Amino acid sequence: DAGITQSPRYKITETGRQVTLMCHQTWSHSYMFWYRQDLGHGLRLIYYSAAADITDKGEVPDGYVVSRSKTENFPLTLESATRSQTSVYFCASTSGRGNKNIQYFGAGTRLSVL
Amino acid sequence: EDQVTQSPEALRLQEGESSSLNCSYTVSGLRGLFWYRQDPGKGPEFLFTLYSAGEEKEKERLKATLTKKESFLHITAPKPEDSATYLCAVQAINDYKLSFGAGTTVTVRA
Repeated sequence: DAGITQSPRYKITETGRQVTLMCHQTWSHSYMFWYRQDLGHGLRLIYYSAAADITDKGEVPDGYVVSRSKTENFPLTLESATRSQTSVYFCASTSGRGNKNIQYFGAGTRLSVL
Repeated sequence: EDQVTQSPEALRLQEGESSSLNCSYTVSGLRGLFWYRQDPGKGPEFLFTLYSAGEEKEKERLKATLTKKESFLHITAPKPEDSATYLCAVQAINDYKLSFGAGTTVTVRA
């Protein structure tokens, strides 16, 4: 099914472990984004990418690493998970063409760090 | 730095009771203001984009309006299926990032 998919949907891990959240889109969108959503904070941008091999920091990048070797994939890695990284993570993408710039979101990954 | 403030945080309505949600923003230069709907356990779903002051857009019972400092999302004669969290976001000129507000959670009782 076409669209943007995230995996896993749920993940429980322990502090200090490395965790990778996957994001895959089938639209060939140039731009991809990672957000975290916490109660009272809304969606906050972690990292974004304008194209393959081009990434940049967002508002809350500390403790996260991203890569984008292929246009359709944008994995997010927590190198050493901390309890403060317990959150719901959303991936989004947009073509960036014309004036629309609508970001389409995945269903999210709920991460618990114990 | 772009800032988006949504009010109220929560809104409880009776079915058929119209109301409005507010999104006030500051941005260096507005490229677009976006409204999303988010259901529990799901990702945000796009509703509207507004680009300039005075613009209005409608979809079923929802109508979004924009001024130079704020946007309103009007819900006319809401139904229980309109219950959701509504998110507002702004995008600055020459940028593709969105800055989101914390959202307004709307509950419509039958």
